Amino acid sequence: DTAVSQTPKYLVTQMGNDKSIKCEQNLGHDTMYWYKQDSKKFLKIMFSYNNKELIINETVPNRFSPKSPDKAHLNLHINSLELGDSAVYFCASSPHGSSGANVLTFGAGSRLTVL
Amino acid sequence: GQNIDQPTEMTATEGAIVQINCTYQTSGFNGLFWYQQHAGEAPTFLSYNVLDGLEEKGRFSSFLSRSKGYSYLLLKELQMKDSASYLCAVKDSNYQLIWGAGTKLIIKP
Repeated sequence: DTAVSQTPKYLVTQMGNDKSIKCEQNLGHDTMYWYKQDSKKFLKIMFSYNNKELIINETVPNRFSPKSPDKAHLNLHINSLELGDSAVYFCASSPHGSSGANVLTFGAGSRLTVL
Repeated sequence: GQNIDQPTEMTATEGAIVQINCTYQTSGFNGLFWYQQHAGEAPTFLSYNVLDGLEEKGRFSSFLSRSKGYSYLLLKELQMKDSASYLCAVKDSNYQLIWGAGTKLIIKP
């Protein structure tokens, strides 16, 4: 019974292509996130949605566009992929917004390799 | 700028005790988290501290000193399955999580 599921797990593509990563959570959480983990293992927040509304939009190239059709789904679309986009992308969800001890539940990650 | 410092890598022996330190400089403080991440897997929640002191949860304990900007994660009776990266994260005044790069813990038999 997967709590946060993201697809695909692995994605290998050429520079310049457009790709999407999908994320779904069945925990009933209000808030969803996209994180990027680079080769140095830093987790960097990219976007956060609370009940389908964008609440965090870090300095990310506008080639990255999140879409939240409902509060259980947060997809990430990437246009014109570049070599530097190669990383592991984690989707996560939490029960509340940003206050309190809201614990993040992460998906298994999507490893993107741009050739 | 905001900064979370942790040792890059530590090695310990099965059955022993290890302490992983985390120091932070952030704009405000609204709690500190420890997550465990096995290689190739997602981070999973271990502990949360918002007040000074020690929080114990089975073999794992987490300590916080807000005045020193310091926390540690203590792992007792180490098992081989504890080999993983341990991530420290601080929630700043804007309630945004600032993450450290993680400490890779290697357990030897």
